[in-house]
Amino acid sequence: DAKTTQPPSMDCAEGRAANLPCNHSTISGNEYVYWYRQIHSQGPQYIIHGLKNNETNEMASLIITEDRKSSTLILPHATLRDTAVYYCIAKKTSYDKVIFGPGTSLSVIP
Amino acid sequence: GAVVSQHPSRVICKSGTSVKIECRSLDFQATTMFWYRQFPKQSLMLMATSNEGSKATYEQGVEKDKFLINHASLTLSTLTVTSAHPEDSSFYICSAPTRLDGELFFGEGSRLTVL
Repeated sequence: DAKTTQPPSMDCAEGRAANLPCNHSTISGNEYVYWYRQIHSQGPQYIIHGLKNNETNEMASLIITEDRKSSTLILPHATLRDTAVYYCIAKKTSYDKVIFGPGTSLSVIP
Repeated sequence: GAVVSQHPSRVICKSGTSVKIECRSLDFQATTMFWYRQFPKQSLMLMATSNEGSKATYEQGVEKDKFLINHASLTLSTLTVTSAHPEDSSFYICSAPTRLDGELFFGEGSRLTVL
């Protein structure tokens, strides 16, 4: 699976959009980009995934660059409950094992 | 939606005893499950891949005789920490995929404290 790189931490004002970047410059053509988050002392939660088209669901939007070397997770209106560690992962199938990096610790500030 | 459930959520045991953690897929069949361990302020570390009806595949550095994994049915995988010691105290998390290109569901985690 391709290695991903994320900033270690970010702050976001409550109510504003949180834009979390991820670099996956070595991603292969059949690898999906997955995003998960982990709120303190809980199991990770799936957010969204995509291959090459932008995706949106009730939680977030995923913007993947045309060359697929990077992506951005967008939380349109961040709330305090969105404070968590966000993980960006590239893998071919959901059956592939996931090696987690350090992720981005997002703090939503009142 | 699909749910993965772990039990117990918290367990405290004495050093030298064994502890079993269960991971269940509640409304789907899971031929594969993954077990992770997480120490405070660290990321999740993959311990092993559990395969229904066959032996688990352990990551490098994980002692298979200490962390026994059994995946006897399509909805249940168990992790047994044998002869637990204080350094085994950690947050143990399981996960299971629902389909090839779908999401990976995680359990709520089990916090083990070894005294």
